[in-house]
Amino acid sequence: AQSVTQPDIHITVSEGASLELRCNYSYGATPYLFWYVQSPGQGLQLLLKYFSGDTLVQGIKGFEAEFKRSQSSFNLRKPSVHWSDAAEYFCAVGPIQGAQKLVFGQGTRLTINP
Amino acid sequence: GAVVSQHPSWVICKSGTSVKIECRSLDFQATTMFWYRQFPKQSLMLMATSNEGSKATYEQGVEKDKFLINHASLTLSTLTVTSAHPEDSSFYICSATGQGEDNEQFFGPGTRLTVL
Repeated sequence: AQSVTQPDIHITVSEGASLELRCNYSYGATPYLFWYVQSPGQGLQLLLKYFSGDTLVQGIKGFEAEFKRSQSSFNLRKPSVHWSDAAEYFCAVGPIQGAQKLVFGQGTRLTINP
Repeated sequence: GAVVSQHPSWVICKSGTSVKIECRSLDFQATTMFWYRQFPKQSLMLMATSNEGSKATYEQGVEKDKFLINHASLTLSTLTVTSAHPEDSSFYICSATGQGEDNEQFFGPGTRLTVL
């Protein structure tokens, strides 16, 4: 069955430091992969997505992610975090059972130290 | 573009009453809409998938008679929580997809439901 694992429930980094959030997936074919960000009490905003082609994907707000098929991973990175990046981050994979459904990981909460 | 709204953003109701939540795609036609439930500090749990003009498809374990979904037009889907109880208190989020094949879902801002 399709699944997404985000091994880190909570990560704390200092402002200006680099960031990497991990995402591993289980999927029978080439998946569509997404990273979403959620601020408290808000909906989800798409950071970036991978469908095919270049395995290094650039997104909004300075984020990027790299699809590594051999490792079934799609880790999110940012070279220098800002205090406004503090939020919950979700990795997702689809389609599911031929439908436009997504399966989400458990989420990683990012805290930024000043 | 691709804006999804939800109304209300928060609602408090008494136990036993019904609550309706609206989800609208403001600038595109949503062929499919999804309803999620999110508990505090947890991930999104898909409740159901709705396509315009047809019955919603519910995920396993979701009571379709309790969570009524209507997708009457390409821009509007509603979720009605019937006979609400305190355990139905949660954050409900909708999303919508357009005509593309890329599976990208556009999310609404969510509705906080509190049942007293």
